[in-house]
Amino acid sequence: SQWGEENLQALSIQEGEDVTMNCSYKTYTTVVHWYRQDSGRGPALIILIRSNEREKRSGRLRATLDTSSQSSSLSITAAQCEDTAVYFCATETGYQNFYFGKGTSLTVIP
Amino acid sequence: EAAVTQSPRSKVAVTGGKVTLSCHQTNNHDYMYWYRQDTGHGLRLIHYSYVADSTEKGDIPDGYKASRPSQENFSLILELASLSQTAVYFCASSEGQAYAEQFFGPGTRLTVL
Repeated sequence: SQWGEENLQALSIQEGEDVTMNCSYKTYTTVVHWYRQDSGRGPALIILIRSNEREKRSGRLRATLDTSSQSSSLSITAAQCEDTAVYFCATETGYQNFYFGKGTSLTVIP
Repeated sequence: EAAVTQSPRSKVAVTGGKVTLSCHQTNNHDYMYWYRQDTGHGLRLIHYSYVADSTEKGDIPDGYKASRPSQENFSLILELASLSQTAVYFCASSEGQAYAEQFFGPGTRLTVL
C-alpha cells in the first residue's frame, strides 16, 4: 500500500474552529493533491503542493508537505459549515500515477 | 463550462449480467480515468486512457474492460457483474501533464444483486 497511518477519520468541530488533517505516504511523490468531496458528488481539487514547496496557501486553506517524513497536512482556518465534506490527499508517484488516501470526513457544526 | 458527465447515475444489475458505464467530457483532455470508491475507502484506479482507441490497466483492472472510442467518450464494461463490484464509480479527465488536476464526474452508484 502507498499509505501510512492516515485515513478514514471522522472529525467533528464547531464553526469558527481551526482544523488540521494529516496524511502520510510510503512512496516518493512529486506532488500532493488535496481534494474535497461533497456528498453525492465527485472529488474536486482544492490545493496542490509540489515536492519543492513546504507550504501552500489558498484562502483559508493551508497545505504543508514534508518530504523527509513523507507527510502532508491540510489546515482550514475558521471552519464554516460549508467546509463539511470528505477531504482526500492524493500522491502522484509518477507520470499520471495517482494514489488516493481513504480520506477524512469533516463535519462543521453551526 | 468544461465538464465530465456520467451515465447512468445509478444502476442495479444482476450477478452475471453485463454492465456498461459511460463517461463524456467536454474538457478537450487527452487523459481519462475510471475509479471505484468503496465505502470508507479512497479512490482506486481501474483503467485509464491517454488517446482514443487505446486503454491502459490501472491498479485493479480484473473484471473490468474499458473502451475509448473518441477523445470525449470513455466506457467501463463489466462483462460478468459480481457482488464485489458494488461500488460508486467515478470518471475523470485531465490534461495529462505533471501536476495536472483531475476533473471528476458526479459518479455512478452501481449495485449488483
